[in-house]
Amino acid sequence: GENVEQHPSTLSVQEGDSAVIKCTYSDSASNYFPWYKQELGKGPQLIIDIRSNVGEKKDQRIAVTLNKTAKHFSLHITETQPEDSAVYFCAASPYGQNFVFGPGTRLSVLP
Amino acid sequence: DVKVTQSSRYLVKRTGEKVFLECVQDMDHENMFWYRQDPGLGLRLIYFSYDVKMKEKGDIPEGYSVSREKKERFSLILESASTNQTSMYLCASSPQTGLGPEQYFGPGTRLTVT
Repeated sequence: GENVEQHPSTLSVQEGDSAVIKCTYSDSASNYFPWYKQELGKGPQLIIDIRSNVGEKKDQRIAVTLNKTAKHFSLHITETQPEDSAVYFCAASPYGQNFVFGPGTRLSVLP
Repeated sequence: DVKVTQSSRYLVKRTGEKVFLECVQDMDHENMFWYRQDPGLGLRLIYFSYDVKMKEKGDIPEGYSVSREKKERFSLILESASTNQTSMYLCASSPQTGLGPEQYFGPGTRLTVT
């Protein structure tokens, strides 16, 4: 079955700097890769996703890149703000199957 | 706005008790999921359901069962709670099967078994 690894487990950045979180997956059949953000006391919420026919996707300050050959994908957050502080989860999903989530990254944006 | 609600935010139960965690979604979604969240392990799928009265085991179903009698409601049952079931439980729903249906999560229930 699919296995998703995620690094780093914790990340601290200064406000205004960029943050990068990396994930690797094992199942070459995976073709959908969402990223979820979980704020304190709330359930995870989808922030961006990418499908296997696309190498990069951007939405304002966040972007995701996908390298299918190497089986890894990354989340990039630019110009970080205090409200970006949260736990971020990547996930991988083979077509029509359930998500397998990574272990999460706790991002702290320091003022 | 999709809303997924869970019956309790915090729950404390004793070892051996039967525990019911309830989840309700208001957007007529076909799919519903139960996950548990533990530090360093991420979200792990316990059970899921693609339709009323239908259920499928996820990755860690041992010690749990589920019930889906109505489309909007998905219940997780711990038949005999144990201390290793102390965790955060998250319910989610999504509108369809297939590639990339967004899952909408509830706020979670933090269960402590003593």
